[in-house]
Amino acid sequence: AQKITQTQPGMFVQEKEAVTLDCTYDTSDPSYGLFWYKQPSSGEMIFLIYQGSYDQQNATEGRYSLNFQKARKSANLVISASQLGDSAMYFCAMREANFGNEKLTFGTGTRLTIIP
Amino acid sequence: KAGVTQTPRYLIKTRGQQVTLSCSPISGHRSVSWYQQTPGQGLQFLFEYFSETQRNKGNFPGRFSGRQFSNSRSEMNVSTLELGDSALYLCASSLAARVGYGYTFGSGTRLTVV
Repeated sequence: AQKITQTQPGMFVQEKEAVTLDCTYDTSDPSYGLFWYKQPSSGEMIFLIYQGSYDQQNATEGRYSLNFQKARKSANLVISASQLGDSAMYFCAMREANFGNEKLTFGTGTRLTIIP
Repeated sequence: KAGVTQTPRYLIKTRGQQVTLSCSPISGHRSVSWYQQTPGQGLQFLFEYFSETQRNKGNFPGRFSGRQFSNSRSEMNVSTLELGDSALYLCASSLAARVGYGYTFGSGTRLTVV
């Protein structure tokens, strides 16, 4: 079973609009971390934001915020006021606490294109 | 602070050859992980090292191996290359191999097998 599901293969958004990228996850581990990474065409994975399973508040980092709904196992990334430089692949990932399972598990990604 | 450095950036090899990729983590980071990224399979975990010990290994054949040195630098080796090994290989370093600690990735090594 997929541990991380990203259902939007591609999205087109007008510049300056807000955009929400969906991510659902599956784990039985009570302790886990959720990450969002951005991958431009150059290939480097750029860390955007992190949410711990025990965090009470939604994480925010500048224009990025994470809409964490634990009961629904959902961790959507919200980008406010999108910019042309936001065009890239976006990956949701999870790290579990179970020994031997601490690796990052990635979703299939969403290709975001910002239209001027 | 220097980031994660992967060398080389690009590599072209012939089927049957072997290849070694290098990763220098952020200073102070003791955990190094390797991932393979292909259009068909996406991002797949290869292995993770912490303090020179392999802690975790993904579902890859024995042709894929790695090691970590005392200075935390890591290498991965692929022997008897196949066309399907063509991929972007990403290295990531972390302060600790635990939940709550994020990964910083390098720019990757793009391997092409011909």
